[in-house]
Amino acid sequence: QKEVEQDPGPLSVPEGAIVSLNCTYSNSAFQYFMWYRQYSRKGPELLMYTYSSGNKEDGRFTAQVDKSSKYISLFIRDSQPSDSATYLCAMSAIDGYNKLIFGAGTRLAVHP
Amino acid sequence: GAGVSQSPSNKVTEKGKDVELRCDPISGHTALYWYRQRLGQGLEFLIYFQGNSAPDKSGLPSDRFSAERTGESVSTLTIQRTQQEDSAVYLCASSLAAGYTFGSGTRLTVV
Repeated sequence: QKEVEQDPGPLSVPEGAIVSLNCTYSNSAFQYFMWYRQYSRKGPELLMYTYSSGNKEDGRFTAQVDKSSKYISLFIRDSQPSDSATYLCAMSAIDGYNKLIFGAGTRLAVHP
Repeated sequence: GAGVSQSPSNKVTEKGKDVELRCDPISGHTALYWYRQRLGQGLEFLIYFQGNSAPDKSGLPSDRFSAERTGESVSTLTIQRTQQEDSAVYLCASSLAAGYTFGSGTRLTVV
């Protein structure tokens, strides 16, 4: 079993839809949770960073962490074609300098 | 520089040859990471440098893989006697605190 599981999709939604992306994990030591967006032939870019359980909102993006269920989510409101990318969850047990464990990524397509 | 720079952006090599991949991190970032991304898969950790500490090499898949870093600057990932299964995008990232900044990667194809 992988430490981090993420449905690879692809996920196709119409413009304006609410998108829900999810990851589950098995290591209860994970405390720091991140979401990265990766456009084709580009490196991943950090979207959201959260610590422990709870919600964090940034514009159209909301990250949720439920440590009791070992489940994290990223919601995208009013999705746009420019949101079409692969979304990777990542997590670590230690803040700052430490290797991250990544999910496989979910490919999202938002069509006009 | 403004971002993490990787070179070459693409590399095609023959099976059995050695390759060297280069990463220029963001100036001042003390931590540097190498990851590998196979087609349709997530990022696989290879190696991590933090300042002058001994690197964490726990992700290197075989002794054909090695990496060096000069102080807190450039890093080089070397793959000896390349195999077809080494074909992937090799991503470098650097960080100062929370979250990484990635380069665009080197796409390695072994034929």
